[in-house]
Amino acid sequence: DIQMTQSPSSLSASVGDRVTITCRASQGISNYLAWFQHKPGKAPKSLIYAASTLQSGVPSKFSGSGSGTDFTLTINNLQPEDFATYYCQQYKTYPLTFGGGTRVEIK
Amino acid sequence: QVQLQESTTGLVKPSETLSLTCSVSGYSISSAYSWGWMRQPPGKGLEWVATLHHSGSTYHNPSLQSGVTISKDASENQFFLTLTSVTAADTAVYYCVIGIVSAYSNDYWGPGNLVTVSS
Repeated sequence: DIQMTQSPSSLSASVGDRVTITCRASQGISNYLAWFQHKPGKAPKSLIYAASTLQSGVPSKFSGSGSGTDFTLTINNLQPEDFATYYCQQYKTYPLTFGGGTRVEIK
Repeated sequence: QVQLQESTTGLVKPSETLSLTCSVSGYSISSAYSWGWMRQPPGKGLEWVATLHHSGSTYHNPSLQSGVTISKDASENQFFLTLTSVTAADTAVYYCVIGIVSAYSNDYWGPGNLVTVSS
């Protein structure tokens, strides 16, 4: 199985900040990576697929980059609605696997 | 607006069968590339359970000790997950997902439904 490692596991940030979350795959996955936002009690929301392609309707403040084993999710101008847990997920091969999540909290 | 909603009995006894239904509105599931299920055990992260591709191929997480079946009923715009011989390890919030952009994109998710396995 491909292991996905996210860092940090949590971070505190202020409104208006720029935050970066990293995701590392245990082997090369090309660009077969997605990012999801998850708020408690809500449906997870797909933000990015193919490492850097924004889902329809997702604001451009979110961006993704990377290829191979190292990926990043960047959120610009953090707003109250962005405080959530973010997950990466590889879909290069089955079984699909997720990173452990990064909880973004208000400082 | 695409919306998914999971439904299930909620409480299942060990060794029994867990059945989940995902009802989709705002989109015809026949147009999707894939239908799938994820879960999140209490206090843990997300875990992939199973996916059914438009081609008819099915895939499930080999780490699951329970028997897994995934199917759909396009006429009802629903798809389903069955886990047989469940254990406490199957206690989780279960999410249904559909892939519209591709078979792997998991574009839309339901809000989740807690299933507890307990005697």
